[in-house]
Amino acid sequence: EAGVTQFPSHSVIEKGQTVTLRCDPISGHDNLYWYRRVMGKEIKFLLHFVKESKQDESGMPNNRFLAERTGGTYSTLKVQPAELEDSGVYFCASRTGIDTGELFFGEGSRLTVL
Amino acid sequence: QKEVEQNSGPLSVPEGAIASLNCTYSDRGSQSFFWYRQYSGKSPELIMSIYSNGDKEDGRFTAQLNKASQYVSLLIRDSQPSDSATYLCAVTSGGSNYKLTFGKGTLLTVNP
Repeated sequence: EAGVTQFPSHSVIEKGQTVTLRCDPISGHDNLYWYRRVMGKEIKFLLHFVKESKQDESGMPNNRFLAERTGGTYSTLKVQPAELEDSGVYFCASRTGIDTGELFFGEGSRLTVL
Repeated sequence: QKEVEQNSGPLSVPEGAIASLNCTYSDRGSQSFFWYRQYSGKSPELIMSIYSNGDKEDGRFTAQLNKASQYVSLLIRDSQPSDSATYLCAVTSGGSNYKLTFGKGTLLTVNP
């Protein structure tokens, strides 16, 4: 069974450009999460989808970040326009709807904003 | 104010020794506690979860939770070089069962 997959693994862009990160959760996992780790800091929660609905987006830094999950399958996280402080590793995670279901993480998408 | 704190490390132990990793948290409402292992450039991988006070053992790993002291630890017995990784402590927060708050992680090196 495929795990959580993320694309691209690494993206280098200039300040002001746009980047879209994609996450394919494990098949059948209704819950999808985005987390971010910036250099020297801990991994921090960004938002949570249940199927196609945003359950909690309290961790989104500002309105330059837009997350979508059309059809309740894969998700995208768009940063527009990117700023230097957006650099970091963006992790996606998914789990089933069972309350004690394990959270599975992808390997992350590393974003470097120059 | 940091919400989850871990000993900064790096922690270096010889092969076969016990590695002890510690974590404290600030949110008294936290209900679920997790230890993740992350190899460099790889995804965090869940190795232990604990929900009630006391010890929980799984193979060479033992998690210990003390909610009164807001403290959770991970012991790795008979440490192996393959255990060398960053260990992340995570707790639930904000009333959600899976909105995790992470510590910065402790880098463990097991020397052959």
